[in-house]
Parts: sequence; C-alpha cells; structure tokens
Amino acid sequence: NAGVTQTPKFRVLKTGQSMTLLCAQDMNHEYMYWYRQDPGMGLRLIHYSVGEGTTAKGEVPDGYNVSRLKKQNFLLGLESAAPSQTSVYFCASTTRQGASNYGYTFGSGTRLTVV
Amino acid sequence: DAKTTQPPSMDCAEGRAANLPCNHSTISGNEYVYWYRQIHSQGPQYIIHGLKNNETNEMASLIITEDRKSSTLILPHATLRDTAVYYCIVRVGLAAGNKLTFGGGTRVLVKP
Repeated sequence: NAGVTQTPKFRVLKTGQSMTLLCAQDMNHEYMYWYRQDPGMGLRLIHYSVGEGTTAKGEVPDGYNVSRLKKQNFLLGLESAAPSQTSVYFCASTTRQGASNYGYTFGSGTRLTVV
Repeated sequence: DAKTTQPPSMDCAEGRAANLPCNHSTISGNEYVYWYRQIHSQGPQYIIHGLKNNETNEMASLIITEDRKSSTLILPHATLRDTAVYYCIVRVGLAAGNKLTFGGGTRVLVKP
C-alpha cells in the first residue's frame, strides 16, 4: 500500500516550458488536492478535486491547470512555467466518509525550479 | 474556516512534554480542530483531531477548552525526531471540498 505517490521528485524547467506533475493514490480516496509551499511558508492550496471528472480552484490557481480523469490520479499542469512557480508541490488525498475521522495523506513532494 | 493563531517557535527539552498552544476564538460549532506536523522537506503528517472532547492517540493528546476557543497539543515525551513545524487547523468536515488551510505553524525544536 503505497499511499500517495508523486512524480517526478525533482525537476528543473526553463521559463516558458511546460510540464505535468502526477499524483497517484491507491487508497480509493474521493478527494485530492494540490498545494505549493514556498520557503519558510505554510502550504497554499492550488486546485482540488472532490471526485473523478471534477476540479475546483483553490487559493492560488493562476498559472496552473488540473485534471482528474481517473479517481486514483490527479494531474497538475504548468503550461508556461515562470520563475515565480519555483516551489515544492505537495499532493494530498482524503476520503469523503472519513472527513471527520481521518486526516489527509500527503505525498513526499515535487521540488520544481524554474530558471 | 476559522483562523488560528500559534506562536512562531518554541524549544523543548528531549524527554519532556511539549505543550503547543493554538487560539481559534472564532471557531464555529461544526468546525473540528486538526493538528499536522511537517518534518523538514517532507509532506505534512496528520497527528490528531477533535471536536469538543479531549483526544489521545499513540502520537499525542489534544486538549480543547470548554468554550472551544483554544486548544493544546501535547507531545508527552518529546524526542529529537519530533523537531518539526506543527500546524493547528480548524475546519468544517465535508463542506467546501473538505479543504485544509495552513497557517504559519509553530516551529518546534527539541534539544538534547
């Protein structure tokens, strides 16, 4: 049981390049989330999904797109990377039934540098 | 979701209890108190949560005041591995996408 797996773990992009971050969970969770964390700061929500085929904006959605075509996967896309998107990206998931009984499970993060 | 206030940092001696305070004076009746921690460079880890009653698990205890306006996370016997940033979060359960909003947290340093 792997939990939440993020790929890649590290990436360096040039300004203007595009990429997709993949989050996969094997716990059959309905809810999935993408956060970013800048140095010395707490996590900020980018986008989230409450189920397959649905997505919604979080606190800092600009410059990112997401898709949830399969329940177990949540993709975060950067269409044209900017240096301001240099950050550590965390994916998380939780279950609808466990909303008040379970916490989130987080992945180990993707460290992205845009030069 | 209600806003929380935590001290930015605190030190603790190894083997002693660590008491981490959190103020959430605007908490609503249906909002839970959650605690997470983030060890350097890792993803946040769920610790404990509660609504009204005090809670205890294998990691920690959560004490919530009777008026629910503040709470304390207790690590009973702090170890060096407990050095981390601890986040107190209050949140409604299923409403609004079940989102967690992270503040600045408390940076806890456990010293030998």
